[in-house]
Amino acid sequence: DSGVTQTPKHLITATGQRVTLRCSPRSGDLSVYWYQQSLDQGLQFLIQYYNGEERAKGNILERFSAQQFPDLHSELNLSSLELGDSALYFCASSAALTSADEQFFGPGTRLTVL
Amino acid sequence: AQTVTQSQPEMSVQEAETVTLSCTYDTSESNYYLFWYKQPPSRQMILVIRQEAYKQQNATENRFSVNFQKAAKSFSLKISDSQLGDTAMYFCAFMKTEYGNKLVFGAGTILRVKS
Repeated sequence: DSGVTQTPKHLITATGQRVTLRCSPRSGDLSVYWYQQSLDQGLQFLIQYYNGEERAKGNILERFSAQQFPDLHSELNLSSLELGDSALYFCASSAALTSADEQFFGPGTRLTVL
Repeated sequence: AQTVTQSQPEMSVQEAETVTLSCTYDTSESNYYLFWYKQPPSRQMILVIRQEAYKQQNATENRFSVNFQKAAKSFSLKISDSQLGDTAMYFCAFMKTEYGNKLVFGAGTILRVKS
């Protein structure tokens, strides 16, 4: 158990819908990262937040957005869902921003878009 | 942009044998970190080993060791005394040492340990 929690574990929805994935980082970790794992794209970085502020952005679609709240949990919002958005979405957390602290991964949320 | 290449989509090894997984990367950075992550069938991402580019000594964690060749931009993972529990997808990953530290992953290598 990494200490990072993600809910829900599984999500099945239809095209055009909107979903919210939730992540709680390890106690004390200020950085949260979102990654997407799909058959087509592999594992790719989406976005990073540090202490409530966006710090880095990867290949995140405009239909996707994220935020980190004052209690440090983070949410990834996916809207106008398409079949290709079906993937495993990981949240990871680390203690700091500038050093290469280990990123601890949550168990992931498996999103299926029908 | 950095890229990470894992040229072996699948590998298999007999229990108790040694196997080496290959990884090459492309970067213009001089300081960075390299990682191997394991993803078993449970899909959990587990850090296996990491290497700081400024360290010449190869990292070792129990049965896992790396062969880091900075000039060749190569970072292979050696698993000794393979165990059935080592069956997993293995990802090589790169991280720059700068403000914000995202991981860039390779495509992964599926390793099957046979009894």
